Amino acid sequence: DTAVSQTPKYLVTQMGNDKSIKCEQNLGHDTMYWYKQDSKKFLKIMFSYNNKELIINETVPNRFSPKSPDKAHLNLHINSLELGDSAVYFCASSPVEGGTEAFFGQGTRLTVV
Amino acid sequence: GENVEQHPSTLSVQEGDSAVIKCTYSDSASNYFPWYKQELGKRPQLIIDIRSNVGEKKDQRIAVTLNKTAKHFSLHITETQPEDSAVYFCAAGGTGFQKLVFGTGTRLLVSP
Repeated sequence: DTAVSQTPKYLVTQMGNDKSIKCEQNLGHDTMYWYKQDSKKFLKIMFSYNNKELIINETVPNRFSPKSPDKAHLNLHINSLELGDSAVYFCASSPVEGGTEAFFGQGTRLTVV
Repeated sequence: GENVEQHPSTLSVQEGDSAVIKCTYSDSASNYFPWYKQELGKRPQLIIDIRSNVGEKKDQRIAVTLNKTAKHFSLHITETQPEDSAVYFCAAGGTGFQKLVFGTGTRLLVSP
């Protein structure tokens, strides 16, 4: 069974649209993350979230918002998509204690046209 | 917050050579240092990690060293093979609810 799964794998959409990427983990982890990987392959954290606290990277536009319906899910909502949002978005999870392996989803390649 | 720098950005070696990738971190509170390998079109996956109470760790052809005083750690790959070609990321983090901060990645190309 896939430990961290994201949907969709590919997403092509027009500028100005609103879209969501879903993430689910079946590892029982308390902490989930969203990372953005740009064309230069830089992996930048966007959000860290557990059931108590959300940490937002201050460089992330407020058009991006995480939504967690429960401990096993952390979805990413993006409003008013821009060309520069095109990237691969990775969801990840790790135990709340931290200091251990983060498991990544397979990534969602978002293309804004 | 934590800042992680990684060098080189690209590294080309011949099959059988060794490869070394270096990272520095800024937050002395960080105590967990993993390395991830990302093959083309795939997700990053952990290959080895080290904690601050250890100076070196080996797993077959890969090893990681940590110098806490200097705040740097390195990945060593010996007897490289073409399948080692990938992007490698270092990261630094800690216990508690704390994010992993990744380096900028090193694209390793191993030529036959």
